Amino acid sequence: GAGVSQTPSNKVTEKGKYVELRCDPISGHTALYWYRQSLGQGPEFLIYFQGTGAADDSGLPNDRFFAVRPEGSVSTLKIQRTERGDSAVYLCASSMGGNSPLHFGNGTRLTVT
Amino acid sequence: GNSVTQMEGPVTLSEEAFLTINCTYTATGYPSLFWYVQYPGEGLQLLLKATKADDKGSNKGFEATYRKETTSFHLEKGSVQVSDSAVYFCALSTNAGKSTFGDGTTLTVKP
Repeated sequence: GAGVSQTPSNKVTEKGKYVELRCDPISGHTALYWYRQSLGQGPEFLIYFQGTGAADDSGLPNDRFFAVRPEGSVSTLKIQRTERGDSAVYLCASSMGGNSPLHFGNGTRLTVT
Repeated sequence: GNSVTQMEGPVTLSEEAFLTINCTYTATGYPSLFWYVQYPGEGLQLLLKATKADDKGSNKGFEATYRKETTSFHLEKGSVQVSDSAVYFCALSTNAGKSTFGDGTTLTVKP
């Protein structure tokens, strides 16, 4: 079946603008995760959804970052007033929850100029 | 908090050489341990996993054993191939749901 789909694959935006990144998880996966990956580093946890609710948002760096999953499937990561330091690859993953392995999308490369 | 420390790279080997990539972790509770791999131009994918102490995960000739006494999960392969060139990430997951990753080790295998 289809894997985790992320759109867009690349996004270039100007400092101060608002961006939305979309993730379409594997059908039937109840858990959805957002990670951020900078060059030469491992994925850094941002937020985790179990169903529609954010079970853990402790990784969101500040209140400019927000994510939703209104129907328990597709999720959108929203970044307000983007800064150059937000430039990174944003990864989405889904799983069956608990300690199940993560299934990753190919990521969205965000560049803030 | 939880953390994962990986052997720093990059690692360059000749084909058919023996591979070890070290991984140690710190965690509260009893985590599950994973190795993920990212091939050039592709997304992260699961390579192998182990869910309890002394378990051995294996896949595609790679192996790793969950060592609780040394809090380690070292990745090994007896004979690497050019197609194994990739970035390898060690990770742990607890019942809280989120996974914690190491910084990755880049492996290049030369013919």
